Formats: sequence, structure tokens, C-alpha cells
Amino acid sequence: DIQMTQSPSSLSASVGDRVTITCRASQSISTYLNWYQQKPGKAPKLLIYAASSLESGVPSKFSGSGSGTDFTLTISSLQPEDFATYFCQQSYSTPYTFGQGTKLEIK
Amino acid sequence: QVQLQESGPGLVKPSETLSLTCTVSGGSISSYYWSWIRQPPGKGLEWIGYIFYSGSTSYNPSLKSRVTISLDTSKNQFSLKLSSVTAADTAVYYCARLSRAYFDSWGQGSLVTVSS
Repeated sequence: DIQMTQSPSSLSASVGDRVTITCRASQSISTYLNWYQQKPGKAPKLLIYAASSLESGVPSKFSGSGSGTDFTLTISSLQPEDFATYFCQQSYSTPYTFGQGTKLEIK
Repeated sequence: QVQLQESGPGLVKPSETLSLTCTVSGGSISSYYWSWIRQPPGKGLEWIGYIFYSGSTSYNPSLKSRVTISLDTSKNQFSLKLSSVTAADTAVYYCARLSRAYFDSWGQGSLVTVSS
């Protein structure tokens, strides 16, 4: 199985900040990397697919980059609704696997 | 816009079989891959498996011996059966659409507790 490791596991930031979350794969996955946002009690929501493509309807404040084994999700100008848990997920090969999550909290 | 809704018992006894159904509305099930994903309370996400509209399946090897995913195109539904459950199978179970290589639509989730 391909292991996905996110860092940090938790992050405190203020409204208006720009933050970056990192995801590392245990082997090269090209750009088969997706990012999801999950709020408490809700299903995950797709933000970014194929490493850098923005899902329809998702604000452009969210951006993704990377290829191979190292990927980043950047959120600019944090707003209260952005405080949530973020997961990366590889779709290079089955079993599809997710990172452990990064909880973004208000400072 | 496609919508997914999970249904099934919220409590299952140890050693019994967990059964959930996902009803797809706003679109046909006769395309795409359809998946089950679970999340133990306070933990991360685990992909269980998928079924293609043709009926072909792929399962997570960690669960493969206990999992069956099936499709009912006449009802626009797909289902999950997980046998011989233990407390470790307690989780929120999500159904999701796998579009190309990403999960773009999700159900709201169904909490299943394994307890006697």
C-alpha cells in the first residue's frame, strides 16, 4: 500500500493568514493526488484533484501543487469557514489511501 | 447534481454482518465507479472498495475477505456487506462517487456501531 503522510497534524492560524499543508507519498504517484476538506459531522468535500486542479465551485483561495512524492495545499486569506480538517488522498493505485489529516484551528 | 444517501441499521452485533445501501439520485448509477469509505470516530478515512456499473469490483486487501459490494441498477442503488464484524468496524460509513480518479460526491455518512 502507498502510505500518505501529512504535516503538520494540526495547525493554528489566524483569520487572514496564508497556510500550507504538506502531503508526502511513500512512492511516486505522479499527480494522482486529491485534497478534501472535512468539517465536524460532515462528509469530506473535494477541493483539489490531480494535484492542482480546482474542483468546480471551490474558491480560488485554495491551490495545490506537486508531483511525484511531495505535494502541498495552500489556503490564502483564511476565513472562519476554512477552519476544518484537510485530507490528502492518492488515486495512483488501489487500495486508495488517505493522509491522517491536518486539523486547522483558529489561533 | 447527483446526491447519495446511505441507509441501514445503526447497530450491529459482533460476529454479524453489517449491511448498508446507498441510493443515488439526480443521476444514473449506470456509469462511474461507486465506492464505500469509512471513518472510525475521531480517526482518518479508509477506502473499503468500489464497484463499476458493469459489476466489476475492487476491494481493500485489509477487508477483502469480509467485504461484498453489489449494484442494483433498477433501483439506482449499491450496497455494502461486511461480515464477521467486531468493535473495530465501528465507524461512519460513507458512500461516494469515484469520478475518474477522485471522490467528487459523498453521502452524508451513516454511523454504524458494533456492540452486543
